[in-house]
Amino acid sequence: SAVISQKPSRDICQRGTSLTIQCQVDSQVTMMFWYRQQPGQSLTLIATANQGSEATYESGFVIDKFPISRPNLTFSTLTVSNMSPEDSSIYLCSTRIGIEAFFGQGTRLTVV
Amino acid sequence: LAKTTQPISMDSYEGQEVNITCSHNNIATNDYITWYQQFPSQGPRFIIQGYKTKVTNEVASLFIPADRKSSTLSLPRVSLSDTAVYYCLVGAPMGGATNKLIFGTGTLLAVQP
Repeated sequence: SAVISQKPSRDICQRGTSLTIQCQVDSQVTMMFWYRQQPGQSLTLIATANQGSEATYESGFVIDKFPISRPNLTFSTLTVSNMSPEDSSIYLCSTRIGIEAFFGQGTRLTVV
Repeated sequence: LAKTTQPISMDSYEGQEVNITCSHNNIATNDYITWYQQFPSQGPRFIIQGYKTKVTNEVASLFIPADRKSSTLSLPRVSLSDTAVYYCLVGAPMGGATNKLIFGTGTLLAVQP
């Protein structure tokens, strides 16, 4: 199994600023995934992060808005840049070991 | 990735058996079916996975008919703590570490006392 520590758990940010979310995994993993979940909605994949290469973004998400770092096999960050109220959401990181996926507790972001 | 269709919500009472069905008409030969559970303010949690027929673990059973175009998650004797959103996912062999997960709408199960 894997335990993912994600922080911050929540934040309230001013529009136009940026927030960096961190995820630490208790074991080395090949891929990490970043999701967004808006209130009452399902999870939407933002991007896939592989150590040593640029992240792969899903349709509708761009690197300038959501830059991702993956400096080693246990850590990743997602930055939400130039935030607007529409970015208010829960952001989750995830990884997979074997047949299971594991998720962080999520970061509840409110942009005012 | 195959698209899935599930009921948006279901209601049940404590002690009842709950069956949540998921349709995946375009499932590919190599696709597996996996169910996840999500409580409020938490990330999704793996429940069960299967390829065909029936799979059972300590939490649930998964029934998959021969044509694999649907699957049913069965939760025996639910309790209030089973109130959550249940997601059905279909995708290529889940043993690969590169496979991303695409979530559908999920089913909100509300268990009443």
